[in-house]
Amino acid sequence: EAAVTQSPRSKVAVTGGKVTLSCHQTNNHDYMYWYRQDTGHGLRLIHYSYVADSTEKGDIPDGYKASRPSQENFSLILELASLSQTAVYFCASSLNTGQLYFGEGSKLTVL
Amino acid sequence: GDSVTQTEGQVALSEEDFLTIHCNYSASGYPTLFWYVQYPGEGPQLLFRASRDKEKGSSRGFEATYDKGTTSFHLRKASVQESDSAVYYCALSVSGGSNAKLTFGKGTKLSVKS
Repeated sequence: EAAVTQSPRSKVAVTGGKVTLSCHQTNNHDYMYWYRQDTGHGLRLIHYSYVADSTEKGDIPDGYKASRPSQENFSLILELASLSQTAVYFCASSLNTGQLYFGEGSKLTVL
Repeated sequence: GDSVTQTEGQVALSEEDFLTIHCNYSASGYPTLFWYVQYPGEGPQLLFRASRDKEKGSSRGFEATYDKGTTSFHLRKASVQESDSAVYYCALSVSGGSNAKLTFGKGTKLSVKS
């Protein structure tokens, strides 16, 4: 049974619309992350969190917000989706050991 | 800032060929180094890690040695199989003893034909 689950797995959004990507983990890990994957750029960190009700900016936070209402849940929010945010988004959890456990990814297409 | 450079964007090999994927890093502190693998349709997963100079990490026939002098952590496998086809990511963490935040390279897509 998958320990990090993402929803939706695929979404088509319109430019300027709001998008929420959700992540749920059953690993009992303190750390959770949102990464963006693009061809030619690899994996880039958007936001992360090490405790509920607190989030930290990663390397490319502009245009994204994050929310961690509980240890198990971590959401990524695009208030005004843009074409440049078309990508595959990965959520991950960790015990702060460097071993990240990733979900299966959410493919976002902004038209 | 910290960075990871993977020289090869794509590598195409035949079964039983020798594999090398080059990884060089730049870090402000003493990093822990990682190799992750991503199979089609899945999220990345840890292959192995190394935390100090000259340490060798290995798993599933893959290996890499931490070289602080050349700031490298090259991935090697003596004989690849078709099932090794995947994207490989080199990564590092430098966070004052914490391994919370990983910086990834751009990835190398390995295709192995039988």
